[in-house]
Amino acid sequence: AQSVAQPEDQVNVAEGNPLTVKCTYSVSGNPYLFWYVQYPNRGLQFLLKYITGDNLVKGSYGFEAEFNKSQTSFHLKKPSALVSDSALYFCAVRPYNNNDMRFGAGTRLTVKP
Amino acid sequence: GAVVSQHPSRVICKSGTSVKIECRSLDFQATTMFWYRQFPKKSLMLMATSNEGSKATYEQGVEKDKFLINHASLTLSTLTVTSAHPEDSSFYICSASPSGRTYYEQYFGPGTRLTVT
Repeated sequence: AQSVAQPEDQVNVAEGNPLTVKCTYSVSGNPYLFWYVQYPNRGLQFLLKYITGDNLVKGSYGFEAEFNKSQTSFHLKKPSALVSDSALYFCAVRPYNNNDMRFGAGTRLTVKP
Repeated sequence: GAVVSQHPSRVICKSGTSVKIECRSLDFQATTMFWYRQFPKKSLMLMATSNEGSKATYEQGVEKDKFLINHASLTLSTLTVTSAHPEDSSFYICSASPSGRTYYEQYFGPGTRLTVT
């Protein structure tokens, strides 16, 4: 079965600095990869996805992620962090042939002014 | 587009009672909906996959008699927590995958906070 690892429970960055939230995955066949963000007491908001094509995927709010097949990684990045980016971020993976999506444990991003 | 709603957003019930949570896809049809449970500061745990017109598929360890799922139409799935106990208190989130065309991501509802006293 597919699985996702987010090795960092917490990431702290200063406003204006670049941020990276790490994600590695395991899945049979070609992966469909996703990043979601969750604000307190809210559902998940879709940020971006990788299905096929360019390894660098651009998403909402200036976020991007790079698919690295050899390292089975899909790290989320942003060149310049904002305080409003502080939230819980989830990486998710599903196989190409079904809807069974699995989520990582989440990484809490805190951006300090 | 692709909006999913949940009702209620927050519910408090007494131990032993049952609670129904609705998940609706507002502007698309969803053959498949998913129910997740999220504990504080934890990830989402898939509870079951709800298929319109058929029985839900439950994940291992999820009691199907405890968490009743009904997907009676292409825009509505319900989760009923029967004989609720304080340990059922959690944040329940549904998601939906549009049917018909090729979609990849799931669209999530805003969640329902259940507190059992």
